[in-house]
Amino acid sequence: GENVEQHPSTLSVQEGDSAVIKCTYSDSASNYFPWYKQELGKGPQLIIDIRSNVGEKKDQRIAVTLNKTAKHFSLHITETQPEDSAVYFCAASLSGYSTLTFGKGTMLLVSP
Amino acid sequence: ETGVTQSPTHLIKTRGQQVTLRCSSQSGHNTVSWYQQALGQGPQFIFQYYREEENGRGNFPPRFSGLQFPNYSSELNVNALELDDSALYLCASSHSGTDEAFFGQGTRLTVV
Repeated sequence: GENVEQHPSTLSVQEGDSAVIKCTYSDSASNYFPWYKQELGKGPQLIIDIRSNVGEKKDQRIAVTLNKTAKHFSLHITETQPEDSAVYFCAASLSGYSTLTFGKGTMLLVSP
Repeated sequence: ETGVTQSPTHLIKTRGQQVTLRCSSQSGHNTVSWYQQALGQGPQFIFQYYREEENGRGNFPPRFSGLQFPNYSSELNVNALELDDSALYLCASSHSGTDEAFFGQGTRLTVV
């Protein structure tokens, strides 16, 4: 089955800095890669996703890149703000089946 | 807010007991997936329901079972509770043929 590795487990940055979280996946058949943000006491919130026919996708301050050959994808957050502090999860799945395999998460702490 | 609601939000049960968790899916969504999230870990796929039938299952024993109703809401039942079943249980709704999955706030189950 699919295995998703996520690094780092914790990431501390100063407000205004950029943050990068990296994930690798094992199943070359996976072709849908969402990212979720989970705040304390809440469920995961879908923030951005990418499909394997696209190399990069941007939405305001967040972007995701995908390298199919190397089987890794990354989340980039620019101009970080304290409200970006949360746990971020990457996931992988086969498009159309919506069953997700998650990484173990990255706790992002943005200091004012 | 995703429109996915789960009840109850918190629950304490004794080892050996049975528990039922409930999920109302987002309007227009016909597929419900359940995930278990242990403390400090990413969500793990339990099973998925589509058209009232189980449509995929993760590595969980048969004492984890579910139902989906004609209005697409769903239940997760766990029999013979074990201490290791203590976790946040998440419900995600989606529409068949699409990839985006939207999570509820979860039910925090504590087994003592």
